[in-house]
Amino acid sequence: AQRVTQPEKLLSVFKGAPVELKCNYSYSGSPELFWYVQYSRQRLQLLLRHISRESIKGFTADLNKGETSFHLKKPFAQEEDSAMYYCALSETTGTASKLTFGTGTRLQVTL
Amino acid sequence: ETGVTQSPTHLIKTRGQQVTLRCSSQSGHNTVSWYQQALGQGPQFIFQYYREEENGRGNFPPRFSGLQFPNYSSELNVNALELDDSALYLCASSGTYGNTIYFGEGSWLTVV
Repeated sequence: AQRVTQPEKLLSVFKGAPVELKCNYSYSGSPELFWYVQYSRQRLQLLLRHISRESIKGFTADLNKGETSFHLKKPFAQEEDSAMYYCALSETTGTASKLTFGTGTRLQVTL
Repeated sequence: ETGVTQSPTHLIKTRGQQVTLRCSSQSGHNTVSWYQQALGQGPQFIFQYYREEENGRGNFPPRFSGLQFPNYSSELNVNALELDDSALYLCASSGTYGNTIYFGEGSWLTVV
């Protein structure tokens, strides 16, 4: 069965410091991976997906199939990055698709 | 701005009761999924509806059931509520296969 692991519950960094939120996955097929973010009092929203290989709000994530990882990175943290971040893996069977989420990492950016 | 709306936002029920949660999907989206998010956990997939049929289910007992209507809105029903059912219930909608999934703000259920 697929599984997503986010080993850190809380990551606290100073403003301007680099950020790396870790995500490892277990999946037998070809994975489709996402990062979702939840800012305070807001709904869960998509941050980025690996197939688009884009950078959103300065964040990037590279799929490493050898290490089964999809770590989220940003070179310089900003206060507004403070939020809950979830890594998720999509599994599609026919027309059905579901997301398997990790337990999330709270990013706290301090001055 | 996502158009997925859920109601009610908060509710309290007694163990053994039944609850119905409602979701209006984003315009044009024909697929609705429901997730349960317990405190301190990531969302867990309950089931998915596509064109009014259930077409995928997670590891949840049959007392969790759902419906999707012709306008693609959806309901989640939970019978015989247990204390462990206390959680945030999220509705998510998407269009055709491969499209982005949009989440609602969720319904907070407390079972006492």
